[in-house]
Amino acid sequence: NAGVTQTPKFQVLKTGQSMTLQCAQDMNHEYMSWYRQDPGMGLRLIHYSVGAGITDQGEVPNGYNVSRSTTEDFPLRLLSAAPSQTSVYFCASSYTGQGEHNEQFFGPGTRLTVL
Amino acid sequence: GNSVTQMEGPVTLSEEAFLTINCTYTATGYPSLFWYVQYPGEGLQLLLKATKADDKGSNKGFEATYRKETTSFHLEKGSVQVSDSAVYFCARYNFNKFYFGSGTKLNVKP
Repeated sequence: NAGVTQTPKFQVLKTGQSMTLQCAQDMNHEYMSWYRQDPGMGLRLIHYSVGAGITDQGEVPNGYNVSRSTTEDFPLRLLSAAPSQTSVYFCASSYTGQGEHNEQFFGPGTRLTVL
Repeated sequence: GNSVTQMEGPVTLSEEAFLTINCTYTATGYPSLFWYVQYPGEGLQLLLKATKADDKGSNKGFEATYRKETTSFHLEKGSVQVSDSAVYFCARYNFNKFYFGSGTKLNVKP
């Protein structure tokens, strides 16, 4: 299994540009999520999905869109990039629900810089 | 509110010293609690977890006990190694959302 994969690893954008960060997992996990990691603030949840066709907002959803057309893929879209979106972005997946199976598996991250 | 608070770092210890990293949470309901570790340039990896009150999670010599009465999940290790140098994140999960603390950087010197 490849686990959770993310592309690209690095990206530089100009203010106002749009782009999509890709995330895929091959573990048949229902739950997928996107986080941003900023110095001194830990990881903050942007959006999440509990299954194909279902998405919901996390702590910091503004400026980001997601969709979940398949179980495997969960792309994150920046519609009009802003310098405040400079961050490291992590995708993660897990089984849903409480209990023993909700360990999250993280991708390697995408480092995004918005000029 | 719903949040996770952990002690600020960095924490610098000598090899074989005892480690404690404090973590407290606020949450409604009965969250699952986790410690994740992040090595430089990598994503987070699960270190240990506990899913109900009084559970003890353990892995690689690290331990944490789910204390509902004090809403805490402190991470401990009796004898740290240089290879334990990393950033440690406390996290909670309930109602389909994970919340992470701000992370504590641990430096272990030989």
